Amino acid sequence: SQTIHQWPATLVQPVGSPLSLECTVEGTSNPNLYWYRQAAGRGLQLLFYSVGIGQISSEVPQNLSASRPQDRQFILSSKKLLLSDSGFYLCACRQPFGMRGITEAFFGQGTRLTVV
Amino acid sequence: AQSVSQHNHHVILSEAASLELGCNYSYGGTVNLFWYVQYPGQHLQLLLKYFSGDPLVKGIKGFEAEFIKSKFSFNLRKPSVQWSDTAEYFCAVGPYNNNDMRFGAGTRLTVKP
Repeated sequence: SQTIHQWPATLVQPVGSPLSLECTVEGTSNPNLYWYRQAAGRGLQLLFYSVGIGQISSEVPQNLSASRPQDRQFILSSKKLLLSDSGFYLCACRQPFGMRGITEAFFGQGTRLTVV
Repeated sequence: AQSVSQHNHHVILSEAASLELGCNYSYGGTVNLFWYVQYPGQHLQLLLKYFSGDPLVKGIKGFEAEFIKSKFSFNLRKPSVQWSDTAEYFCAVGPYNNNDMRFGAGTRLTVKP
């Protein structure tokens, strides 16, 4: 089964600084990859998803961007962090529909980002 | 895009009480439905999933969920909760033949020993 690696686990960054969170996946090929942000009482907000290298779908306009330079690598970035970017960021992996039937998402351990 | 509603934000139960957490979704087509659990300090784990067939789905740790298509619901149930079930529970919807996957706001369950 898939294993999702996310790092760092925690991060404290000043306002206005850049951000780069990395997610890599093992145990699968050509997965769908997702970035979610989890906020207390608001559940998991889908930020970006990707169905292949260089293909990014953005769900909400915001201060963040995503890139997929390799099949099993998904990066969340920001040029200038805002206080409102603080949160818990989760990377998820899902097999493309149709390859293995029902396709649940597998999650990484997450990154706790605090912008100060 | 589809949306997912979980009506209970925080549920507090005593051990051995029965549990039912509500989940409704808005999407007109065929869907895959999921319940995830997040124990304190741990990552999200799949509890159970529905794809097709029997609308009553059994998952791990004694949980089950029933898909009622006419009500667009996928409620999670457990006949007798334990203190170790204290966690946050998320309902998710993934439209059939679609790459999207949406989650509800989550329900925090606290089980008193």
